[in-house]
Amino acid sequence: GENVEQHPSTLSVQEGDSAVIKCTYSDSASNYFPWYKQELGKRPQLIIDIRSNVGEKKDQRIAVTLNKTAKHFSLHITETQPEDSAVYFCAATAGGTSYGKLTFGQGTILTVHP
Amino acid sequence: NAGVTQTPKFQVLKTGQSMTLQCAQDMNHNSMYWYRQDPGMGLRLIYYSASEGTTDKGEVPNGYNVSRLNKREFSLRLESAAPSQTSVYFCASGWTGAGNTIYFGEGSWLTVV
Repeated sequence: GENVEQHPSTLSVQEGDSAVIKCTYSDSASNYFPWYKQELGKRPQLIIDIRSNVGEKKDQRIAVTLNKTAKHFSLHITETQPEDSAVYFCAATAGGTSYGKLTFGQGTILTVHP
Repeated sequence: NAGVTQTPKFQVLKTGQSMTLQCAQDMNHNSMYWYRQDPGMGLRLIYYSASEGTTDKGEVPNGYNVSRLNKREFSLRLESAAPSQTSVYFCASGWTGAGNTIYFGEGSWLTVV
């Protein structure tokens, strides 16, 4: 089945800096890659996603890039703010017999210091 | 429009007790999921239902059973709870197929003592 590795596990930045979180996946048939943000005690919520026919997608301060050849994708947050502090999860949709199931990375705890 | 609703929100069980976590969605989604979340382990899929009447095992199905009661409801049952099942459980729903977003419920905090 699909395996998703996420790095780093923790990331600490100063307000205004950029943050980058990277994920790799194993199933070359995967074609959908969402990112979720989870605040303490809350549910994961989708912040951005990318499909395999697109190399990059941007939404205000957040962007995601995808390299299908290398099987990795990244989340970029620019001009970070304290409210960006949360746990971020990447995920990939497995192909084959696991079609449609999302496999998540282990999560990155992002802390933005004022 | 409540989205995905889970009950109970908090539960303490004794080892060996059984319980059922309930989940309902009002978005007319055909896929529903149960995940568990443990520190440092991310979200791991327990069971998945692509449509009413079908269920599939996920990454960590042992110790759990599920029922897709109808299109709206997907329940998770612990037959004989163990301390290793202490976790936060999230139900989610979405449209079947790759490339479709899934939406999570608020979570159920379960402690087995």
